[in-house]
Amino acid sequence: EVQLVESGGGLIQPGGSLRLSCAASGFTVSSNFMSWVRQAPGKGLEWVSVLYSGGTTYYADSVKGRFIISRDDSKNTLYLQMNSLTAGDTAVYYCARNGRYDTLTAVYPFFDDWGQGTLVTVSS
Amino acid sequence: DIQMTQSPSSLSASVGDRVTITCRASQTISNFLNWYQQKPGKAPKLLIYASSSLQSGVPSRFSGSGSGTDFTLTISSLQPEDFATYYCQQSFSTPMYTFGQGTKLEI
Repeated sequence: EVQLVESGGGLIQPGGSLRLSCAASGFTVSSNFMSWVRQAPGKGLEWVSVLYSGGTTYYADSVKGRFIISRDDSKNTLYLQMNSLTAGDTAVYYCARNGRYDTLTAVYPFFDDWGQGTLVTVSS
Repeated sequence: DIQMTQSPSSLSASVGDRVTITCRASQTISNFLNWYQQKPGKAPKLLIYASSSLQSGVPSRFSGSGSGTDFTLTISSLQPEDFATYYCQQSFSTPMYTFGQGTKLEI
């Protein structure tokens, strides 16, 4: 059974740093594309970052230069290092496995497994 | 960036009703459109991928359609467990996946 368990959230002051973890079981993180998605209180979903199996990373413009996505293959764990945090980063952060549906002509990506989320609150 | 707009933002319905939610993309995305259901305090759950393909384990009362810029999610006969918020998501412009703002389905 696939399971994703996030941890590391909490209350942090503006300008501070925090590292989120996402421990995976039931599959190998390094063989999959893995993403972070966040949701501000009472708001919608926002894709934050992705780490491809080959190591390539991408970030939303809102976090580029401040957040770093990485993984530890020996721990089968995904991370999100968040620096220079602002109130706008306050959200529940979910890790998600990127699934895909392949046809002869196209590859259709989606998020098929999600963790339960971890709340990050940036406030003084 | 591709913008996704859902309508309505909220919807009141009753058990047994047929419900349709619309999602419009700011540019053509072929059929690279996914739908998710989210209940309060829970992670989103994938319902539909590639516009009309039902995710394994999802009840057949859920269906999706559309291509290009206009898409719909239909629930053929609402059940009590279907009251939730629904999000569309484009996967055409990877990896910059974008979501719609959500549609809250209420009793």
